[in-house]
Amino acid sequence: AQKVTQAQTEISVVEKEDVTLDCVYETRDTTYYLFWYKQPPSGELVFLIRRNSFDEQNEISGRYSWNFQKSTSSFNFTITASQVVDSAVYFCALTKDRGDFGNEKLTFGTGTRLTIIP
Amino acid sequence: NAGVTQTPKFQVLKTGQSMTLQCAQDMNHEYMSWYRQDPGMGLRLIHYSVGAGITDQGEVPNGYNVSRSTTEDFPLRLLSAAPSQTSVYFCASSTGPPLNEQFFGPGTRLTVL
Repeated sequence: AQKVTQAQTEISVVEKEDVTLDCVYETRDTTYYLFWYKQPPSGELVFLIRRNSFDEQNEISGRYSWNFQKSTSSFNFTITASQVVDSAVYFCALTKDRGDFGNEKLTFGTGTRLTIIP
Repeated sequence: NAGVTQTPKFQVLKTGQSMTLQCAQDMNHEYMSWYRQDPGMGLRLIHYSVGAGITDQGEVPNGYNVSRSTTEDFPLRLLSAAPSQTSVYFCASSTGPPLNEQFFGPGTRLTVL
């Protein structure tokens, strides 16, 4: 069975501080995908990143960066110089890499509510 | 290109009533899923489909039915609503390999009294 743990239920930081959201996963699959989604107060789910288990390179996109460490089964997400617009619930998710088949079955963590204080 | 659409956005039901949550996508995706989101529990998979005519159960299927008669539509039916089904429901569709991108609808907030 797959499992995603986001131990931080809520985090509050002052604007412009850096913040890291933790994600730890469990899977018996040798290949898999990891995702991060953002859910702003408006409620929709916004895709942020997808990472295949083969690719352990860290990724940076503007103020966002992701640290994937297979050895510790973690896929942490860092926001640099946080802004009020970053306030949202962030979900980490996991799915098996089914090769030629789709990834329609995501296992989500329980989410981390991030509040950026102006 | 509307992406994934869901109707209604809000719904209030009485215990025992039945209803259908609609989901449609115009991206010609084979893969579609239904999730429910409850406080403190993240999103949990209810049912999913890998193509027209093919559906399967997810983590929490009890009390829900699905069918997939077309590629575009994937309705979720509540047979006899219960207060435990009060939740926000998200429909998603996926591109499949190699990109495997999931696109989520805006959600339906359901309250069962």
